[in-house]
Amino acid sequence: KQEVTQIPAALSVPEGENLVLNCSFTDSAIYNLQWFRQDPGKGLTSLLLIQSSQREQTSGRLNASLDKSSGRSTLYIAASQPGDSATYLCAVVSGSARQLTFGSGTQLTVLP
Amino acid sequence: GAVVSQHPSWVICKSGTSVKIECRSLDFQATTMFWYRQFPKQSLMLMATSNEGSKATYEQGVEKDKFLINHASLTLSTLTVTSAHPEDSSFYICSARDLQRDWNEQFFGPGTRLTVL
Repeated sequence: KQEVTQIPAALSVPEGENLVLNCSFTDSAIYNLQWFRQDPGKGLTSLLLIQSSQREQTSGRLNASLDKSSGRSTLYIAASQPGDSATYLCAVVSGSARQLTFGSGTQLTVLP
Repeated sequence: GAVVSQHPSWVICKSGTSVKIECRSLDFQATTMFWYRQFPKQSLMLMATSNEGSKATYEQGVEKDKFLINHASLTLSTLTVTSAHPEDSSFYICSARDLQRDWNEQFFGPGTRLTVL
């Protein structure tokens, strides 16, 4: 059974810092990996999707990398802003049913 | 494209009543939709997979008689929480796969906040 772990569970940084969020998964036979953002009480916003054949994806100040063989992904946020404060979720699609398994998330607070 | 809506966005009900939540794919057809539940400060947990025209597949520990799922068309799936109790209070999120797109990508609805008094 696929398990997804995110470290750290919470992170607080001053504005302007570059930061890295980590995600690991136990079964490397994945179809893709996706990073989401969730604001309090809200739904999910998809940030980046990396196919299993890709190693990274970039969107603006966000860069996500994927090392499928080691079961790891990182989300890099450059020049963080208070508006980046949210919970960031990592999820992978795997298995014959192609189900999405979520990590427990990293709660990010960017202090002005 | 690939927009998924949910209705209602929030609902408050009395213990013992039933609540229906709708999930619609607005601009695409979805043979498969998923229902997730998220408790406060926790991640999303898959409850069931809903397939158009057939019975839903429930995850271990999810009572199929309590959480009724109907996927009668390619654009609509409904989740009915029967005889709701306070412990059913949660954030319910659906997602859908687009037949014409990547089979491995799910598009998420905005969620429904259920509060059972």
